[in-house]
Amino acid sequence: EIVLTQSPGTLSLSPGERATLSCRTSRTTDTRSLAWYQQKPGQAARLLIYATSDRATGVPDRFSGSGSGTDFTLTISRLEPEDSAVYFCQQYVTSIFTFGPGTKVEIK
Amino acid sequence: EVHLVESGGGLVQPGGSLTLSCRDSGLTFSYYSMGWVRQAPGRGPEWISYISSTSGTIYNADSVKGRFTISRDNSENSLLLQMNSLRVEDTAVYYCVRARSGGYFDDWGQGTLVSVSS
Repeated sequence: EIVLTQSPGTLSLSPGERATLSCRTSRTTDTRSLAWYQQKPGQAARLLIYATSDRATGVPDRFSGSGSGTDFTLTISRLEPEDSAVYFCQQYVTSIFTFGPGTKVEIK
Repeated sequence: EVHLVESGGGLVQPGGSLTLSCRDSGLTFSYYSMGWVRQAPGRGPEWISYISSTSGTIYNADSVKGRFTISRDNSENSLLLQMNSLRVEDTAVYYCVRARSGGYFDDWGQGTLVSVSS
């Protein structure tokens, strides 16, 4: 079983600042199989990034993903008020899909 | 744009059964793999079931193996989740999702709430 760990648990930043969210996997992960989602209260999750660094349709370019091996990062270059949400990483290995516990981003 | 609409949630007693449905109003349902992801109150998402476009491949999470059955009807653009032997810990919002190769979920329904309680 692959376990995903996300840090920090909560990030509190001001508009315009840069947010760096970490996702660590317990085993080496294929970069094609790592995704990031954004979830706002009362809403379903929304795909932001797939295959480690590819932005989903309609996602602003202030969102970017990077990483390899067991360490992956979601970066929000200039925070906007609407970026307040919980962000989950997710990976896939044959027949099993696993989500991380999430990082909450608060905008001051 | 993909539109996935779930239905069938509700309150059920432990040990009971429930069937969730998901209808896709788009034209490409039969082309894609689908799945179910649930989210318990205050928790992160948990993938529970996956079915390929032709129903030839099915995966289930250990937490629901032997109790939940996923199926689809491409002629009706519908996805089903038959849930038996429900437990209190199955209480969650259940989302229908479209699964892409690479193992990510690129579209989600609005969710349907399943509450298991006596």
